[in-house]
Amino acid sequence: DTGVSQDPRHKITKRGQNVTFRCDPISEHNRLYWYRQTLGQGPEFLTYFQNEAQLEKSRLLSDRFSAERPKGSFSTLEIQRTEQGDSAMYLCATTSGVYQETQYFGPGTRLLVL
Amino acid sequence: GIQVEQSPPDLILQEGANSTLRCNFSDSVNNLQWFHQNPWGQLINLFYIPSGTKQNGRLSATTVATERYSLLYISSSQTTDSGVYFCAVEETSGSRLTFGEGTQLTVNP
Repeated sequence: DTGVSQDPRHKITKRGQNVTFRCDPISEHNRLYWYRQTLGQGPEFLTYFQNEAQLEKSRLLSDRFSAERPKGSFSTLEIQRTEQGDSAMYLCATTSGVYQETQYFGPGTRLLVL
Repeated sequence: GIQVEQSPPDLILQEGANSTLRCNFSDSVNNLQWFHQNPWGQLINLFYIPSGTKQNGRLSATTVATERYSLLYISSSQTTDSGVYFCAVEETSGSRLTFGEGTQLTVNP
């Protein structure tokens, strides 16, 4: 257990539905990252926050995706109008922001869009 | 963007054997991490190693930053070592990690 938690761990939804995932970071970790991992591939960066500010977004993050970190603690990732191609593992990672520090990953949310 | 290549893509060993996994990267990096992903998908930190050599039990890693590669050594492998090993690099401090495609390791009893 790295101390980063994610909820839910698994989600099955029908195409066109909206889904929301939550990440709770290690206490006092001010940087939070979202990644997506499809079968047989390494994780790919989606977006990251420093405290409540969203500092970078990947071009993978289409306008159907939105992420928030309202009080600089937990974060949510919402996917609107899900598509079958959104099926993947969604991973959250956090660091304290100290120079040169390991990113700690949560257990992930596995999404299946039918 | 930076490219990360891992080799071999697949590796099958008998328990007790040693192995070396390689990670090449295309540009200078601020950070390099090795992870083990277990069958449930959890990424477990093995090493934070932007340069030099580190050891942790049966595992050790070496990064030669000037030549843009890193090696992960697993000695006396055990069945519990099975899984996917990822190398990930960070181009600048605090930024995203760029992952390789991983090495799938299977250790047979």
